Amino acid sequence: GNSVTQMEGPVTLSEEAFLTINCTYTATGYPSLFWYVQYPGEGLQLLLKATKADDKGSNKGFEATYRKETTSFHLEKGSVQVSDSAVYFCALREGTGRRALTFGSGTRLQVQP
Amino acid sequence: DAEITQSPRHKITETGRQVTLACHQTWNHNNMFWYRQDLGHGLRLIHYSYGVQDTNKGEVSDGYSVSRSNTEDLPLTLESAASSQTSVYFCASSANREGGYTFGSGTRLTVV
Repeated sequence: GNSVTQMEGPVTLSEEAFLTINCTYTATGYPSLFWYVQYPGEGLQLLLKATKADDKGSNKGFEATYRKETTSFHLEKGSVQVSDSAVYFCALREGTGRRALTFGSGTRLQVQP
Repeated sequence: DAEITQSPRHKITETGRQVTLACHQTWNHNNMFWYRQDLGHGLRLIHYSYGVQDTNKGEVSDGYSVSRSNTEDLPLTLESAASSQTSVYFCASSANREGGYTFGSGTRLTVV
């Protein structure tokens, strides 16, 4: 079956530091890949996505590249802010027709001023 | 503006009671989903629906049921609440499989 593995948190960084959150996946087909962000007390919001190999998703300074050869979709940001503190979820959805998302366990990011 | 709303935001119930959590979306999305969020497990799929009168079981469907009588609503029912069902429940909807989901704000359910 499908699965998503994320690095365990929390990840604690100082403001303006470089961020990487690792995500690897297992899928039988050709999935679309997503990063969602959850701020305290809120639902999940789509941060970025990529639908095929070598695609790069980007939004709000965050980037992730769909690497089929390493089955990875690592999230990066060059300079984090306190306002980026949240829980980040990597997710996949099979490209063959099933429309439910499979989520990783989430990684909490804490950015200190 | 279109939205997806969940109610109630918080609920405390007793073991053995039947509980229904509401989800209502005005996006006119065909696809709707219920997830539960637990520490260390991320989000796990409970039930989902691809349209009116269509419902499907997810990976953790035991003890839960859903019905889809119109496009806008997918209520989640706990037949007989158990302490293991204490969790945060999220509803989501989507228009097609290439798009992302839109999530509700969640319902925090405590079973005592």
